[in-house]
Amino acid sequence: DVKVTQSSRYLVKRTGEKVFLECVQDMDHENMFWYRQDPGLGLRLIYFSYDVKMKEKGDIPEGYSVSREKKERFSLILESASTNQTSMYLCASRTRDRGYTFGSGTRLTVV
Amino acid sequence: DQQVKQNSPSLSVQEGRISILNCDYTNSMFDYFLWYKKYPAEGPTFLISISSIKDKNEDGRFTVFLNKSAKHLSLHIVPSQPGDSAVYFCAASRTGANNLFFGTGTRLTVIP
Repeated sequence: DVKVTQSSRYLVKRTGEKVFLECVQDMDHENMFWYRQDPGLGLRLIYFSYDVKMKEKGDIPEGYSVSREKKERFSLILESASTNQTSMYLCASRTRDRGYTFGSGTRLTVV
Repeated sequence: DQQVKQNSPSLSVQEGRISILNCDYTNSMFDYFLWYKKYPAEGPTFLISISSIKDKNEDGRFTVFLNKSAKHLSLHIVPSQPGDSAVYFCAASRTGANNLFFGTGTRLTVIP
């Protein structure tokens, strides 16, 4: 089974801090994704990457950036955290049957 | 513009009865559909999928029905169990696209 590991389950950061969320997958998949989940809004795509050093903006990229230096690792960066970025962040890797395997999520609180 | 819609934010069902979760989509290019289940503080897990060449797919207690003309799919859970209580997301994919398009989710509560 594909494993997608997110480095932190819970994070609390201060407004204005730079925040790094890390995600690692172990199956050599090309496509990786970052979503955020908010009540009533479902899963919204922030960024995705289809190969090393390649990235595409999703539906809500403002305030975020990403890094993919190695195939197995996809990082989400909050350049200057704000309270409206308090959310559940989910990383996913795309499997060959066109579905996703998700990580366990990172619950980020910005105070 | 939301291309995949789940119009019921929540659903409550008695244990042992049928749960029916609905999903509508607008893009006729979608050709593969999936359902994910999500517990609090966990990532979504894959439940069941269906290709547009089929109108039904079954896996144990879970059945997904696809009505292409109506651009509608539904997930049936029979019989419902308390452990099925979770948020269910419908997702759609089209050939050539890298990402899935998700609905907003339906919170299912199965009452013992």
